[in-house]
Amino acid sequence: EPEVTQTPSHQVTQMGQEVILRCVPISNHLYFYWYRQILGQKVEFLVSFYNNEISEKSEIFDDQFSVERPDGSNFTLKIRSTKLEDSAMYFCASSEGVSPQHFGDGTRLSIL
Amino acid sequence: SQQGEEDPQALSIQEGENATMNCSYKTSINNLQWYRQNSGRGLVHLILIRSNEREKHSGRLRVTLDTSKKSSSLLITASRAADTASYFCATDAASNYQLIWGAGTKLIIKP
Repeated sequence: EPEVTQTPSHQVTQMGQEVILRCVPISNHLYFYWYRQILGQKVEFLVSFYNNEISEKSEIFDDQFSVERPDGSNFTLKIRSTKLEDSAMYFCASSEGVSPQHFGDGTRLSIL
Repeated sequence: SQQGEEDPQALSIQEGENATMNCSYKTSINNLQWYRQNSGRGLVHLILIRSNEREKHSGRLRVTLDTSKKSSSLLITASRAADTASYFCATDAASNYQLIWGAGTKLIIKP
């Protein structure tokens, strides 16, 4: 069964550095999403992407964050000037229509 | 506003018993979905129920939706040790694509 793949599985970064989290969505899917889950808390929506542009974003998704689909397969989340509170699991998801969304295994981001 | 509040927060049962988890939400929805998350892993889609549906089955899973009460339940029958995981409901509202998540129910199946 096709899956969403995310790399790396774990990223450790110094505070203030930039990180890029990578995702390969399911190939025929048209909608892409990023979510995050701070340890012990709810999953939170960050951004959705369709037709090469952001379709929706949450209050969390401020100027520190950006997304890109640099080629036909990858979907990336860039976090600039990382802060301690950015430490979380980041999940990528994709969907053919609006639902259901299929998730990757996540990237655990640790900011030191 | 918060959507998709699950209860109980934790549930521990014997293997073979049925497990029921509930979810409540606040705003109008298109769909309600249930996901499973094994510890440290991703979110696995289990089942989607549309706002015009009342009940749906998939294998050992049974989901109900009561839009008048803004609530849903997930029943896992004949539980197995492998069902041990956290279970989340997520809703997508009529006006947007984002999924709004509850805090989850941590289910432990004792062998």
